[in-house]
Amino acid sequence: GEDVEQSLFLSVREGDSSVINCTYTDSSSTYLYWYKQEPGAGLQLLTYIFSNMDMKQDQRLTVLLNKKDKHLSLRIADTQTGDSAIYFCAEAKAGGGNKLTFGTGTQLKVEL
Amino acid sequence: NAGVMQNPRHLVRRRGQEARLRCSPMKGHSHVYWYRQLPEEGLKFMVYLQKENIIDESGMPKERFSAEFPKEGPSILRIQQVVRGDSAAYFCASSPGRSSYEQYFGPGTRLTVT
Repeated sequence: GEDVEQSLFLSVREGDSSVINCTYTDSSSTYLYWYKQEPGAGLQLLTYIFSNMDMKQDQRLTVLLNKKDKHLSLRIADTQTGDSAIYFCAEAKAGGGNKLTFGTGTQLKVEL
Repeated sequence: NAGVMQNPRHLVRRRGQEARLRCSPMKGHSHVYWYRQLPEEGLKFMVYLQKENIIDESGMPKERFSAEFPKEGPSILRIQQVVRGDSAAYFCASSPGRSSYEQYFGPGTRLTVT
């Protein structure tokens, strides 16, 4: 199957680190993505990682991929109130025409 | 460089009417994807188009839904005889080409069927 699963909610204090987790079932996934969706808005591509990589860092964002366990995580350092949003992980697989399969989204709430 | 444009942003239709959703990809992008987001759910792939070609329509409902991406002009997602279950946010994404794994999303069209 092509299931991508995420926990529904995460609440953190401003300044702390946030870790959003995602598991997927399709071992042929080629690229794995993190998108951010603010209320009433479209999806913003945050970062993505190729399946032969273990880690990718981009400023406050760190993506970790455990291919053996099919587990992907997004760490946001020094979380700010502007990071409050829904975060979607998504996968694309080779030969799949690059169509994305999305998780259900994790709502991140940043409290003062 | 303008991003992906979608219009209208909000669309209200009565049951049985037709809905037409438009998507203009980013400049230089020739590939368009349509996704649907039902309330409280993630996005589901509907269709993947290149100029004048449908590449993958495996996510499209068999009836009432159609999509096109003509040589000139925006991509259009058309829903005939809308029903309440069609109420959702419809997102378009574009990418430069088949070998690119980056997809950039538009702001979406929120369709409400009354």
